Amino acid sequence: EAGVTQSPTHLIKTRGQQATLRCSPISGHTSVYWYQQALGLGLQFLLWYDEGEERNRGNFPPRFSGRQFPNYSSELNVNALELEDSALYLCASSTLAGGLFFGSGTQLSVL
Amino acid sequence: AQSVAQPEDQVNVAEGNPLTVKCTYSVSGNPYLFWYVQYPNRGLQFLLKYITGDNLVKGSYGFEAEFNKSQTSFHLKKPSALVSDSALYFCAVRDSGSARQLTFGSGTQLTVLP
Repeated sequence: EAGVTQSPTHLIKTRGQQATLRCSPISGHTSVYWYQQALGLGLQFLLWYDEGEERNRGNFPPRFSGRQFPNYSSELNVNALELEDSALYLCASSTLAGGLFFGSGTQLSVL
Repeated sequence: AQSVAQPEDQVNVAEGNPLTVKCTYSVSGNPYLFWYVQYPNRGLQFLLKYITGDNLVKGSYGFEAEFNKSQTSFHLKKPSALVSDSALYFCAVRDSGSARQLTFGSGTQLTVLP
C-alpha cells in the first residue's frame, strides 16, 4: 500500500513569489492535514481538509491556503512568500481513529 | 485547547540501557495520545498510540508507552536502547471530539551513545 506522497521534495522560491505544494493521501483516507516544521519551532498545525472541505486552520495568515480535490489529494498554496516561510511542510492523512500518517515533506526555501 | 509538553529538549543514553522520553498533555475531553519519530530530512513515522484500554501500549521497534491519567502523562520507553534509535521524538494529543488535528510537543532529540 502506498503511503502519503508529497511533491516536490524541494522547492526554492524568492520573496514575493507563490509556492504550490501537493499531497496525495493513503488510499481510503479522506482527511488531509498540513503542518509547518520550521527550524527550532516544532510542528505547527496549518490546515485540515476532510471530504473536500476546510475543517479547521491554525494560526497562520490568509496567504496560506489550500484545497482538497474529489480524489482527496490536496494542495497547499503560499502567496507573497516571506523569508520566514522557509520550512519543511508536512502533509498527513488519517483514519477516523485519528492516527496521522505523514509524507516525507516538501522543503521550501525562500531566498 | 489541547497542549503537549516535552520537558527535555535532549536525552542522552548509553546503548543497551533503558530509555525514557517524557510527555505530559492537556485536553478538555478524553485524550488520544501518539508518539512519532523523525529521522533527519524525513517525515514523521508513527510509533504507537493510546486510544482506550490497557494503559501500557506497545508499538514499533520495541517501544512502549504508559498512559497515566492522574499525572496526565504518556512517557515513551524502551528497555534496551540501540544507536539506531537516535532521532527526534514527538508526542502528540487530540481529544476524542470532532476536532481531529493533532497538537504536537516541541520534540525531544534522543541520542544513544555507543
